[in-house]
Amino acid sequence: GAGVSQSPSNKVTEKGKDVELRCDPISGHTALYWYRQSLGQGLEFLIYFQGNSAPDKSGLPSDRFSAERTGGSVSTLTIQRTQQEDSAVYLCASSLQGGYSPLHFGNGTRLTVT
Amino acid sequence: GENVEQHPSTLSVQEGDSAVIKCTYSDSASNYFPWYKQELGKGPQLIIDIRSNVGEKKDQRIAVTLNKTAKHFSLHITETQPEDSAVYFCAASKVNDKIIFGKGTRLHILP
Repeated sequence: GAGVSQSPSNKVTEKGKDVELRCDPISGHTALYWYRQSLGQGLEFLIYFQGNSAPDKSGLPSDRFSAERTGGSVSTLTIQRTQQEDSAVYLCASSLQGGYSPLHFGNGTRLTVT
Repeated sequence: GENVEQHPSTLSVQEGDSAVIKCTYSDSASNYFPWYKQELGKGPQLIIDIRSNVGEKKDQRIAVTLNKTAKHFSLHITETQPEDSAVYFCAASKVNDKIIFGKGTRLHILP
């Protein structure tokens, strides 16, 4: 079946512009996660949704970052006034119910801020 | 909050030998420890996981051990093959909570 889909796969933007990254989770998965992976770095937790609510936003790096999820499905991660340090791969994952359910990752969006 | 440390950052082993990757976690309430494998250009994929009520779990050439007292857990790959070359991540979480990852280990299998 279809896996987690992220779009775009690559995004190049100028410093100061806003960007929106989209994640389509696996149908029926109630939990959705966003992670950031910088070059040679691990997976930095950004935000976690259970249904449409975000019980944990503690990983968002600054108030320029926001995320929403609608209809318990699609999620968008928005970065306002992008900076060069925002350049990274942004990974989305979904799981059946959170907790012990395995995460299914998309292939990520590679964001380059010039 | 939870913090996961992973070692080594890079590991090279001869094909056919074993590889061991070690992780420690800080939150004694964590009770779920998955391991993920990431190949180039792709998202990580779960390869094995263990819950805190068991000390060891094995799946063919892969095994994971957990020491709750020491807050250590390890991944063991035996009889390594070229396709095992990838980046491996350990992680820790509590049920219905965020999953925190280590910084990853790049594993090279040498011919």
